[in-house]
Amino acid sequence: AQKVTQAQTEISVVEKEDVTLDCVYETRDTTYYLFWYKQPPSGELVFLIRRNSFDEQNEISGRYSWNFQKSTSSFNFTITASQVVDSAVYFCALRGGSQGNLIFGKGTKLSVKP
Amino acid sequence: EPEVTQTPSHQVTQMGQEVILRCVPISNHLYFYWYRQILGQKVEFLVSFYNNEISEKSEIFDDQFSVERPDGSNFTLKIRSTKLEDSAMYFCASSGEGLLNSPLHFGNGTRLTVT
Repeated sequence: AQKVTQAQTEISVVEKEDVTLDCVYETRDTTYYLFWYKQPPSGELVFLIRRNSFDEQNEISGRYSWNFQKSTSSFNFTITASQVVDSAVYFCALRGGSQGNLIFGKGTKLSVKP
Repeated sequence: EPEVTQTPSHQVTQMGQEVILRCVPISNHLYFYWYRQILGQKVEFLVSFYNNEISEKSEIFDDQFSVERPDGSNFTLKIRSTKLEDSAMYFCASSGEGLLNSPLHFGNGTRLTVT
C-alpha cells in the first residue's frame, strides 16, 4: 500500500523565519516519484517540485529547498526567510508503480505572520 | 503558459439532481484525472482516463459517477444523483507523456455545493 504522512497539521511562523515541512512516505515500488504542491487561500493546486526515487540530490530553488532521504523515506521541504505570501496549505504526494494517480498527504497549513 | 481550465467555478445543486463538471485539459496532454477535496481535508483521487477509457478509479468513484471526453478538448465528470456528501471542491488535472514522472497540472477547481 502507498501512503504519505504529513504529521504537521498546522505551522505558524513569523516572517523571515525558516520553516521545514515534513513528509514521510511508504511504498513497495522501487521506482516512484514524489511531488510537492502548494494550495494558496484562493484554492488552486500549484505544482512546486518533482523528485524521482533514483535521484537523492537535494534541490534548491530560490528560497525553497527539498531534502530527499531514501533511508528514512522522507522528502522534506524547507522555506528560507519565509514571507506572508508563502501562507498556504502544502501537500506532499507520491506516485509509484504502474499507478498514474497521485496519493496526497493530508497537507500542512503554513501561516506566515508579518 | 498553458493551463487546465474548469467550469463552472461554483455549482449549487439540490440533492438528487445531476451535475456535469467540465474541464479543458492542456492540449497536448494524454492523461486526465479528477480529484476531489472535501472542505479542509485531503485531496482524494477519483479517476484517471487515458486513450478514451478509464485507466484507474478509486472506491469513491461508484456507479453514480461517470467521465467522458465528448470531443477533442473537453473532459467531463458527471454525478447522476447528487448527495449532500458530494459537496466538495472537484479538481481536474492532466499530465503529459512519461506517466510517472510527469507532474499533474491542476485546474482551479469547481466548488460543488449540494443542498
